[in-house]
Amino acid sequence: EDKVVQSPLSLVVHEGDTVTLNCSYEVTNFRSLLWYKQEKKAPTFLFMLTSSGIEKKSGRLSSILDKKELFSILNITATQTGDSAIYLCAVDRSSGGGADGLTFGKGTHLIIQP
Amino acid sequence: NAGVTQTPKFRILKIGQSMTLQCTQDMNHNYMYWYRQDPGMGLKLIYYSVGAGITDKGEVPNGYNVSRSTTEDFPLRLELAAPSQTSVYFCASGTGINEQFFGPGTRLTVL
Repeated sequence: EDKVVQSPLSLVVHEGDTVTLNCSYEVTNFRSLLWYKQEKKAPTFLFMLTSSGIEKKSGRLSSILDKKELFSILNITATQTGDSAIYLCAVDRSSGGGADGLTFGKGTHLIIQP
Repeated sequence: NAGVTQTPKFRILKIGQSMTLQCTQDMNHNYMYWYRQDPGMGLKLIYYSVGAGITDKGEVPNGYNVSRSTTEDFPLRLELAAPSQTSVYFCASGTGINEQFFGPGTRLTVL
């Protein structure tokens, strides 16, 4: 059975700290791994990773994929209260040129205290 | 662009009632998806569509039906609502290559 496992499930840190969120996966087909941020409503896209070892960066957020060890990490440096959210990791298992949906982990609930 | 829109935002149903959750996108995406999200859980795929007239089951399709008569619209139908269908429902669309774009969600309670 395909699965995506995120850890930790919840994390409380102080403003200014650096956090690392983990995502491991076991899937029959792999096309890409995606990270989303979910505040009160819809998930919003952060990164899509397809190749090992290439870091994607956006401001204080960065992510990298290891296709040999089947995991990805999402780093957030100098955290701010606005970073408080659920961070979702998802794997695109599509094959044959199709796009048959994402398999999500349970998410990491990150709380940044002032 | 409005992106992906969903109606209603909230709904309470009685057991056995039926309803349709509406989803519309204005990005001309061929691919559309319905997910449900239960508390403390990630999103699970219910149904998806790769284009008008084509739909397929996802991970948790039981109790739901979909149709795709146009590129823009992808309604989700609940025929006989059950308490197990209490959840937040998200519609998404995409090109099939890059990321999916999500709607704001519909919070459904079945009592």
